[in-house]
Amino acid sequence: GAGVSQSPSNKVTEKGKDVELRCDPISGHTALYWYRQSLGQGLEFLIYFQGNSAPDKSGLPSDRFSAERTGGSVSTLTIQRTQQEDSAVYLCASSSGLAGTGEQFFGPGTRLTVL
Amino acid sequence: GEDVEQSLFLSVREGDSSVINCTYTDSSSTYLYWYKQEPGAGLQLLTYIFSNMDMKQDQRLTVLLNKKDKHLSLRIADTQTGDSAIYFCAESRNAGKSTFGDGTTLTVKP
Repeated sequence: GAGVSQSPSNKVTEKGKDVELRCDPISGHTALYWYRQSLGQGLEFLIYFQGNSAPDKSGLPSDRFSAERTGGSVSTLTIQRTQQEDSAVYLCASSSGLAGTGEQFFGPGTRLTVL
Repeated sequence: GEDVEQSLFLSVREGDSSVINCTYTDSSSTYLYWYKQEPGAGLQLLTYIFSNMDMKQDQRLTVLLNKKDKHLSLRIADTQTGDSAIYFCAESRNAGKSTFGDGTTLTVKP
């Protein structure tokens, strides 16, 4: 598969639990993004990794949210002590970065439900 | 910071043309994009335009860019029910981080 994959596709958790969401970008893509999309809403930017540069974390809504990108490939978004307002679809995207046109390739998303 | 705005809803009849409009604030934008999101799926790039162009046509899609007014539009000719989706306008500077609009929900009525 050549596309961006995300796992799990659905996650139901209880308020207060921690969750980890995974993103496998397209091989060779240097840029990786995380977004959040609530029902009927637009995209909310969370974090942006570009190569070896320090990530742009300006969109993370609170210190309960963090993300890592290991070895320039797979990324994990962690939400600690989940709250009901964290319920949303979390989308990951990758792109070839500054060498290309900036086109982002999106994964199918992880639907997170916090009870 | 950069901002991208678009109207939230558009409804058209099958066979009519659809025009979705977008405005942006970053005068240094170099790429402008239109993405389509179908229900339950991620976004997919429909087309993009480089900032030194004022028009791009691709089959039923026509993109117009007015750089002076920072206005971008997407025209879909002969709109079909399969075109019903959310359309996102986005911009980037030098293919870096993109800023997205909130999306326009296009409903095509038979």
